Amino acid sequence: NAGVTQTPKFQVLKTGQSMTLQCAQDMNHNSMYWYRQDPGMGLRLIYYSASEGTTDKGEVPNGYNVSRLNKREFSLRLESAAPSQTSVYFCASRLRGAGNTIYFGEGSWLTVV
Amino acid sequence: GEDVEQSLFLSVREGDSSVINCTYTDSSSTYLYWYKQEPGAGLQLLTYIFSNMDMKQDQRLTVLLNKKDKHLSLRIADTQTGDSAIYFCAESSRGGYSTLTFGKGTMLLVSP
Repeated sequence: NAGVTQTPKFQVLKTGQSMTLQCAQDMNHNSMYWYRQDPGMGLRLIYYSASEGTTDKGEVPNGYNVSRLNKREFSLRLESAAPSQTSVYFCASRLRGAGNTIYFGEGSWLTVV
Repeated sequence: GEDVEQSLFLSVREGDSSVINCTYTDSSSTYLYWYKQEPGAGLQLLTYIFSNMDMKQDQRLTVLLNKKDKHLSLRIADTQTGDSAIYFCAESSRGGYSTLTFGKGTMLLVSP
């Protein structure tokens, strides 16, 4: 089972460049999430999508946009990358039900120089 | 807002038991989770506990929940070097759209 798949795994950007992180899940989950992980900060929620067609801001949404393209896919876009956006980005998905468990992708390492 | 706190570091010897502690502030938490992250990898769900339970055991893992004190612990019996990783406590609330609020993680180092 693929689970949650993120691309790219590694990316280096120059300040001001734009890019999109792609995420897809094959578990027929309703909700999808984007988190960022920084040293000493744990995981912080950027945006989430409770269901297809809806998106909501999380704790740290500034500088990001998202698109819930369909039930499977949830992309994160950086319109004008800044060094402060250097981080590891995790996509996740959840099926409402027992445990409300969230499953994570393997992460995307982004460096902005 | 919700807050989840964990100690940052724990060092144990192989074969000993490890206990990782977590406190949270949101009294409406419905589920509490433990995730494991190995270097360079994503987060792997280890176990979760529903808020109306006070203990859950799964092989070498024992989760204890003290809802009154808002304290969660993860005990790993017979800790192995392969258990070395960062362990995250997380809580889920706010009903149907529940996101997870994570602690900053506890780095567990197991020495031979």
